[in-house]
Amino acid sequence: DTAVSQTPKYLVTQMGNDKSIKCEQNLGHDTMYWYKQDSKKFLKIMFSYNNKELIINETVPNRFSPKSPDKAHLNLHINSLELGDSAVYFCASSLQGPNQPQHFGDGTRLSIL
Amino acid sequence: EDKVVQSPLSLVVHEGDTVTLNCSYEVTNFRSLLWYKQEKKAPTFLFMLTSSGIEKKSGRLSSILDKKELFSILNITATQTGDSAVYLCAVAGSNYKLTFGKGTLLTVNP
Repeated sequence: DTAVSQTPKYLVTQMGNDKSIKCEQNLGHDTMYWYKQDSKKFLKIMFSYNNKELIINETVPNRFSPKSPDKAHLNLHINSLELGDSAVYFCASSLQGPNQPQHFGDGTRLSIL
Repeated sequence: EDKVVQSPLSLVVHEGDTVTLNCSYEVTNFRSLLWYKQEKKAPTFLFMLTSSGIEKKSGRLSSILDKKELFSILNITATQTGDSAVYLCAVAGSNYKLTFGKGTLLTVNP
């Protein structure tokens, strides 16, 4: 059973399109996160939700909009995709807050043509 | 702004060598420091450290935290090719944010 699952694994699309990435965790965790990992492998927090409420919203363009329909799901919608959005996006979850180990999904590799 | 600096950025060793990876940090209201290993896909959790001077150990890997000097080390003894990965250090501060370092790329050659 996959603990944190993201779909799709790969996403290849053109500039200007809108796309979504879905994330689900079956660990019963309260906190979920989205990270962006660039080509140099640097992991940067984008958003964090605790029990469906937005806790962290880093300096991310407002083309990125997270949505948490319930505490087991955190989806990421991206409007008007740009070349610089190409990266691997990781979803993660932790029991409660970042002061506990986070479990990561396998990532979604987004490539913008 | 919270900051995590790892060194070295990359390291190449031979099987059987011992390696030490470093992580220094500046963070508001430190809560914990975590180490992760990232191979091809998702980072996987190794250790979480909250108290100074208490070594955490798992097989050939061990880690210790110094909260006075604001750093942690990750030791790997008798390295194997399967230890080749990026090792990530992250620090949790006062808000719900985990700040990652840029990682150390470890390559273990046979």
